[in-house]
Amino acid sequence: EAQVTQNPRYLITVTGKKLTVTCSQNMNHEYMSWYRQDPGLGLRQIYYSMNVEVTDKGDVPEGYKVSRKEKRNFPLILESPSPNQTSLYFCASSSRTDAAGELFFGEGSRLTVL
Amino acid sequence: KQEVTQIPAALSVPEGENLVLNCSFTDSAIYNLQWFRQDPGKGLTSLLLIQSSQREQTSGRLNASLDKSSGRSTLYIAASQPGDSATYLCAVGSINTGTASKLTFGTGTRLQVTL
Repeated sequence: EAQVTQNPRYLITVTGKKLTVTCSQNMNHEYMSWYRQDPGLGLRQIYYSMNVEVTDKGDVPEGYKVSRKEKRNFPLILESPSPNQTSLYFCASSSRTDAAGELFFGEGSRLTVL
Repeated sequence: KQEVTQIPAALSVPEGENLVLNCSFTDSAIYNLQWFRQDPGKGLTSLLLIQSSQREQTSGRLNASLDKSSGRSTLYIAASQPGDSATYLCAVGSINTGTASKLTFGTGTRLQVTL
């Protein structure tokens, strides 16, 4: 089954404790992206990647890092999480090298930073 | 900077009614526009994708139109069903960001279809 898998789905952590949210897709997609969803603000793009070793900032990249060492994986790293990073995070992928094709989303990762 | 607005924020209709959801955007220089559905606690599911050269797309009971010059898109849902209850979001890929890879989302319309 074609899917985008995120882990963990739920996480509660404390300020400053490094964490990684993994994202994996099994569709051989070149484009992958991370979003955060906050009430009243909608989805905002954090980082995206158009291919292996190619990443770029979205609208809200501060406090986040990403890497794309393999085509299928695109982890989101919070080096020193802060409470304002409490949010619902989504990973997405597309067969196009940009986002102009159909986007496939993961189920989301709800992160709480205390 | 592209801004995407969806009005109303919430809508409740009785089953069987035809309805229209609205999406407006401030910068008409776009690559494409997509409509998504989001169920509570779930990710987004792509419903329709309209390229900038297209005027509309149809899938089953759904029809999406695009008017770039006025900065508007509508999602028409025919003969609504309780299973259509969800939040509907539109997203725009803007040319002036330099890449279609950067999408701007609206905040969504929460639809409830009642029996």
